[in-house]
Amino acid sequence: KAGVTQTPRYLIKTRGQQVTLSCSPISGHRSVSWYQQTPGQGLQFLFEYFSETQRNKGNFPGRFSGRQFSNSRSEMNVSTLELGDSALYLCASSLDGRSDAYEQYFGPGTRLTVT
Amino acid sequence: AQSVSQHNHHVILSEAASLELGCNYSYGGTVNLFWYVQYPGQHLQLLLKYFSGDPLVKGIKGFEAEFIKSKFSFNLRKPSVQWSDTAEYFCAVNGYGNNRLAFGKGNQVVVIP
Repeated sequence: KAGVTQTPRYLIKTRGQQVTLSCSPISGHRSVSWYQQTPGQGLQFLFEYFSETQRNKGNFPGRFSGRQFSNSRSEMNVSTLELGDSALYLCASSLDGRSDAYEQYFGPGTRLTVT
Repeated sequence: AQSVSQHNHHVILSEAASLELGCNYSYGGTVNLFWYVQYPGQHLQLLLKYFSGDPLVKGIKGFEAEFIKSKFSFNLRKPSVQWSDTAEYFCAVNGYGNNRLAFGKGNQVVVIP
């Protein structure tokens, strides 16, 4: 089974721009979560989507948004980029709904650099 | 809100030494507990998990962890490390039925051959 894939793997943007990151979950997985990883703050939860609906949201400003499509693929968008948004953005997918279904599988991440 | 504490962020040890990484969490309900590992240049991988049942869980590559509910702890152990265990290790927790993972800051482990 193919793992979680994320595109692009690397991005360089300038302040004020916006960016869209994409995530394809493992086949059959219906839940997709996004995390931000930085050296200072570590891994922080952004949001989770399940069946095209946002089910959980972390403590990030409204500039961070996401969506999920009917095939479970997900995108996240960051508008008006700030230098502090430079980070590794990780996507994770899980089956959901059953006793051992909360294990999340992570993708390789998208490294975003804001200059 | 959930929170996870990991101490001794940088650990250096020799091959064949034993490894123990501490993890304490704060959460008011039933939890699921995880240890993830991130090898250099690779993505996060699940080492082991605890959902219920036997509090001593065994994972891949000889790792094990013990859930002590009274201490809100989920410490990771390996009796004899190898150079290939050099990696960053993250403890994570979520509330039962909730996919929102809270991670600790991680332990950077370096194993010297």
